[in-house]
Amino acid sequence: AQKITQTQPGMFVQEKEAVTLDCTYDTSDPSYGLFWYKQPSSGEMIFLIYQGSYDQQNATEGRYSLNFQKARKSANLVISASQLGDSAMYFCAMRDGNQFYFGTGTSLTVIP
Amino acid sequence: DTGVSQNPRHKITKRGQNVTFRCDPISEHNRLYWYRQTLGQGPEFLTYFQNEAQLEKSRLLSDRFSAERPKGSFSTLEIQRTEQGDSAMYLCASSSTGYTEAFFGQGTRLTVV
Repeated sequence: AQKITQTQPGMFVQEKEAVTLDCTYDTSDPSYGLFWYKQPSSGEMIFLIYQGSYDQQNATEGRYSLNFQKARKSANLVISASQLGDSAMYFCAMRDGNQFYFGTGTSLTVIP
Repeated sequence: DTGVSQNPRHKITKRGQNVTFRCDPISEHNRLYWYRQTLGQGPEFLTYFQNEAQLEKSRLLSDRFSAERPKGSFSTLEIQRTEQGDSAMYLCASSSTGYTEAFFGQGTRLTVV
């Protein structure tokens, strides 16, 4: 069964606008971590934001925030005030046990 | 220590040859992971080390693949008798204990011709 599902293969956003990238996850473990990574065309995976399953508040890191809805098992990434440099692949991931499970990614293109 | 380092960055090899990749994790991290990523896909788990112990290995990993982390520091991933289907980006990551983020290296892109 798929642990992480990202249903948006590609997204477009106007520069300076906000965008939401969807992610749902599946686990029966009460303790887990959720992550978002950015992968530009250079190939490196850049950590963006983390949400623990017991965290009461949504995580925020600068222009990134994670909309964590535990009952719905969703962990959407919100990028505010999009910049041209935000154009990249975005991967949602879950740490469950000893592994990180990744989704198939969403390609974000920021339009000037 | 500026991050996870992987060498080489690119490797082109002929089918049937053996290749070895190296990963130097962030020095204080005791956990090390190898992932494989093919075009258009997310990273796929290969194996996991805690210190020098290889604690988990993907069932998808054929016996042509072997990984070591001899002193709990750097790690090597060897692929024997390479096949064209092994062409991919091989990513190494490290993390500390707990539900913390993993930091990735820049990867080794393998092309088998």
